Amino acid sequence: GENVEQHPSTLSVQEGDSAVIKCTYSDSASNYFPWYKQELGKGPQLIIDIRSNVGEKKDQRIAVTLNKTAKHFSLHITETQPEDSAVYFCAASSHNFGNEKLTFGTGTRLTIIP
Amino acid sequence: NAGVTQTPKFRVLKTGQSMTLLCAQDMNHEYMYWYRQDPGMGLRLIHYSVGEGTTAKGEVPDGYNVSRLKKQNFLLGLESAAPSQTSVYFCASSYVRGARTDTQYFGPGTRLTVL
Repeated sequence: GENVEQHPSTLSVQEGDSAVIKCTYSDSASNYFPWYKQELGKGPQLIIDIRSNVGEKKDQRIAVTLNKTAKHFSLHITETQPEDSAVYFCAASSHNFGNEKLTFGTGTRLTIIP
Repeated sequence: NAGVTQTPKFRVLKTGQSMTLLCAQDMNHEYMYWYRQDPGMGLRLIHYSVGEGTTAKGEVPDGYNVSRLKKQNFLLGLESAAPSQTSVYFCASSYVRGARTDTQYFGPGTRLTVL
């Protein structure tokens, strides 16, 4: 089955600096890669996703890059703000109809230092 | 539109007791999922359902049972709770567009402690 590794497990950055979180996956059939943000006491919420037919996707201060050859993808947050402090999870999935399952990484706790 | 809701929010059980966690969604999603979240281990899939009346095992199904009698509800049961089942449980749902699933939407979670 799929295995997703996520690094680092904790990350502290100064407000205004950039943060990068990296994930690798094992199943070459995976073609959907979402990123979730989880705030304290809440459920994960999708912040951005990418499918295997694109190499990069941006949404304001957030971007995700995908390298299918190397089987890794990354989340980039620019101009970080205190509200970016949370736990971030990457995930991978292959779209086999009737068998869609996400495999999650172990999470990165991001702390923005004011 | 409440999205995905979970009942209860917190629960404390003694070893051997049973309970049912309820998940409800009002988005008319076909797929529903139950995950558990433990420190340092991310989210692990327990069981999932691709439609009313169907269920399937995920990564960590032992000790749990599920039922999907109605499209909007997905129940997770613990027949005989064990301390190893102390965790935070999340339900999620997603829509299917053709042969491709959409985003998974998560509920707020249920924090379960088994003594």
